[in-house]
Amino acid sequence: SQQGEEDPQALSIQEGENATMNCSYKTSINNLQWYRQNSGRGLVHLILIRSNEREKHSGRLRVTLDTSKKSSSLLITASRAADTASYFCATGLTGANSKLTFGKGITLSVRP
Amino acid sequence: EPEVTQTPSHQVTQMGQEVILRCVPISNHLYFYWYRQILGQKVEFLVSFYNNEISEKSEIFDDQFSVERPDGSNFTLKIRSTKLEDSAMYFCASYRGETQYFGPGTRLLVL
Repeated sequence: SQQGEEDPQALSIQEGENATMNCSYKTSINNLQWYRQNSGRGLVHLILIRSNEREKHSGRLRVTLDTSKKSSSLLITASRAADTASYFCATGLTGANSKLTFGKGITLSVRP
Repeated sequence: EPEVTQTPSHQVTQMGQEVILRCVPISNHLYFYWYRQILGQKVEFLVSFYNNEISEKSEIFDDQFSVERPDGSNFTLKIRSTKLEDSAMYFCASYRGETQYFGPGTRLLVL
């Protein structure tokens, strides 16, 4: 079954630094999405990248996708304390009713 | 911006009791989902729902679980006889344009 697995499991950086988080998966996908979850709260959609795309930007976020390596990375530039959260990658197959398969998540701590 | 809403935000129940978790998806979305997240673990898919019927369900979604869209706005998840291991955060999501939008979750604690 397809599965998103992120690394590292935890990341601690200083405010202003860049944070890079990686995700790997096992099977073919239609798209890969990144979500953020603040402690004990809901999942906020950050960015989606389709399987035929290699890179995408949204504000301070940059996501890449390498389907040959079945991996994706999320880069947050110029991090802020407010970026402290857990980040999850989730993979989906084609179709509106496709379930998302989530990884275990990365805990990012941004020190002021 | 429209959001998925869920009620209650927290629920405590006794083992064996029935619970109903409620969700109001974003209007004009047609696909709905329930996921759960046991504390410290992955978010897991439970069930997807379209056109008033279940599209797909996971192994977790056994006979104790049911979903319903009783009217044009609400989408509910019922657990008939809760077990301790049902304690988790339950998320509702609705879908449009390749993206699933998640609600804030209901934290269920079964004692």
